[in-house]
Amino acid sequence: QVQLVQSGAEVKKPGSSVKVSCKASGGTFSTFPISWVRQAPGQGLEWMGGIIPIFGPANYAQKFQGRVTITADESTSTAYMELNTLRSEDTAVYYCARAAAAGTNPFDYWGQGTLVIVSS
Amino acid sequence: ETVMTQSPATLSVSPGERATLSCRADQSVSNNLAWYQQKPGQPPRLLIYGASTRATGIPARFSGSGSGTEFTLTISSLQSEDFAVYYCQQYNNWPPWTFGQGTKVEIK
Repeated sequence: QVQLVQSGAEVKKPGSSVKVSCKASGGTFSTFPISWVRQAPGQGLEWMGGIIPIFGPANYAQKFQGRVTITADESTSTAYMELNTLRSEDTAVYYCARAAAAGTNPFDYWGQGTLVIVSS
Repeated sequence: ETVMTQSPATLSVSPGERATLSCRADQSVSNNLAWYQQKPGQPPRLLIYGASTRATGIPARFSGSGSGTEFTLTISSLQSEDFAVYYCQQYNNWPPWTFGQGTKVEIK
């Protein structure tokens, strides 16, 4: 059974950075796309970017270009999302999600979510 | 990017009744449309993909239909555990993958 386990909640100051991890187990890591999706309090789901570990460079939503970096470490089956220059509007739950396969596929497995609070 | 619009925002339904949720795309997404269920404090769960195929372990009371730009999720007889927020997502025109704003199904 595939499991995605994310790192714990973070409290950050405005202007700082946060790096969230997502460790996969129970399946092949390298060939499945991993995306990061965030959800602000009481709001909907927003795709931030994604990566296929074996292929390398990530795709990013235009809104987050230049501020987010998504990477993957095949040796530890872990994906990372780093968001820079945090502002209060970045307070949200951040999810990693795995697509069913590379290409045109939905997200079939999700991490439990990581709450990031940005506050002075 | 493909904009997904869900209606209604909130649906009040009595247990045992049918619920019909709508999702519209502003351009064709073929049948590359998924529905997710989300309960408070939990991540989304995949219900339907390919517009009409139930994901593993999803009860038969959940059904999806549509193609192109108009889609429907139907819950034939609402159970207590079905009260949640439902999101549609297109995965045809990517990146980015885009979601609707959600429909909350609440107890009437």
